[in-house]
Amino acid sequence: GENVEQHPSTLSVQEGDSAVIKCTYSDSASNYFPWYKQELGKRPQLIIDIRSNVGEKKDQRIAVTLNKTAKHFSLHITETQPEDSAVYFCAASLISGGYNKLIFGAGTRLAVHP
Amino acid sequence: GAVVSQHPSRVICKSGTSVKIECRSLDFQATTMFWYRQFPKKSLMLMATSNEGSKATYEQGVEKDKFLINHASLTLSTLTVTSAHPEDSSFYICSANERGRAYEQYFGPGTRLTVT
Repeated sequence: GENVEQHPSTLSVQEGDSAVIKCTYSDSASNYFPWYKQELGKRPQLIIDIRSNVGEKKDQRIAVTLNKTAKHFSLHITETQPEDSAVYFCAASLISGGYNKLIFGAGTRLAVHP
Repeated sequence: GAVVSQHPSRVICKSGTSVKIECRSLDFQATTMFWYRQFPKKSLMLMATSNEGSKATYEQGVEKDKFLINHASLTLSTLTVTSAHPEDSSFYICSANERGRAYEQYFGPGTRLTVT
């Protein structure tokens, strides 16, 4: 089955710096890779996603890159702000039992210091 | 769009009782709904997946007789934790796929269950 590894587990940056979170996956059949932001006690919110037919996608200060050959994808946040502080989860799709499931990484706790 | 609600947001129950959690898609029809469990400072662990009108598919290690899932309609799924014990205390979150969108999952706000 699919296994998703996420690094680092914690990340501390100064406001205005960039933050990069990396994930690897094991199932070459995975073709959808979302990133979720979760604030304490709140629901995970989809912030950006990428499908396997593209290598990069950008939305304002957030970008995601995908390397299918290496089974590796990354989240890039530029010009970080204190409100970016949260836990970020990557995920990879897995078709199992006729369903499109998501397998999540362990999460990265991002702290942006003013 | 793509709003998912969950009720209740918090529940405290006594050991041995059962608790029902509802998950609703408010502005879309959900082809598939998913139930996750999340321990403090941990990732989302998929418990089960269900389509409307069919039996849920449970992940390995999840007791189907303990965590009963009913997917009554295209907008409602319920999770019942039967004979709850303190170790069932956790944050339970549902998510839903919108019809016609195969991959994106939209999450409910979660339910914090405490079993005393």
